[in-house]
Amino acid sequence: SQKIEQNSEALNIQEGKTATLTCNYTNYSPAYLQWYRQDPGRGPVFLLLIRENEKEKRKERLKVTFDTTLKQSLFHITASQPADSATYLCALGAQTGANNLFFGTGTRLTVIP
Amino acid sequence: DAGVIQSPRHEVTEMGQEVTLRCKPISGHDYLFWYRQTMMRGLELLIYFNNNVPIDDSGMPEDRFSAKMPNASFSTLKIQPSEPRDSAVYFCASSLSDTGYTFGSGTRLTVV
Repeated sequence: SQKIEQNSEALNIQEGKTATLTCNYTNYSPAYLQWYRQDPGRGPVFLLLIRENEKEKRKERLKVTFDTTLKQSLFHITASQPADSATYLCALGAQTGANNLFFGTGTRLTVIP
Repeated sequence: DAGVIQSPRHEVTEMGQEVTLRCKPISGHDYLFWYRQTMMRGLELLIYFNNNVPIDDSGMPEDRFSAKMPNASFSTLKIQPSEPRDSAVYFCASSLSDTGYTFGSGTRLTVV
């Protein structure tokens, strides 16, 4: 079955720096990959979707890359702020014909002022 | 739109009791998902519907769990009988095809 690994359970970073989160997967060929943000006591919030034929996607201070050869996605937050502190989840989109997502366990990011 | 609405927000029940969780998806979304989140296992897909029809229920842990979607604006997840190991946060989410999900705020279930 598919396996999704996010680089670490927790990541601390100084305000203003770029945070880089890693998502690796095995035994799967997703049609797309998504990133979500989850705050304590709340449901995940969708951030970005990147398809298998796309290398990079940007949205404001966020950037996602998708390397299907390495089976890896990188999620970058530039000019990080304390308000960016949250848990970030990557999710693999099912192969063609389905619409379900498989989620990683997340990386808890803390941006230190 | 008010987003995906789940009820109740919190549920505490005794082992052996029936529990029903409710979800109202975003109007116009044709997919509805039920997930369970625990510290140990993260977010697990239980079942999902497309146009009110169950597509994949392979994540439903056992026969004690059942889900229905009688119409496009309502779904239920039922656990009968409940057990302490069912304690978790249950999320409902809805989406259009190949787009990001919108999650509800979740139901925190505690079975004592």
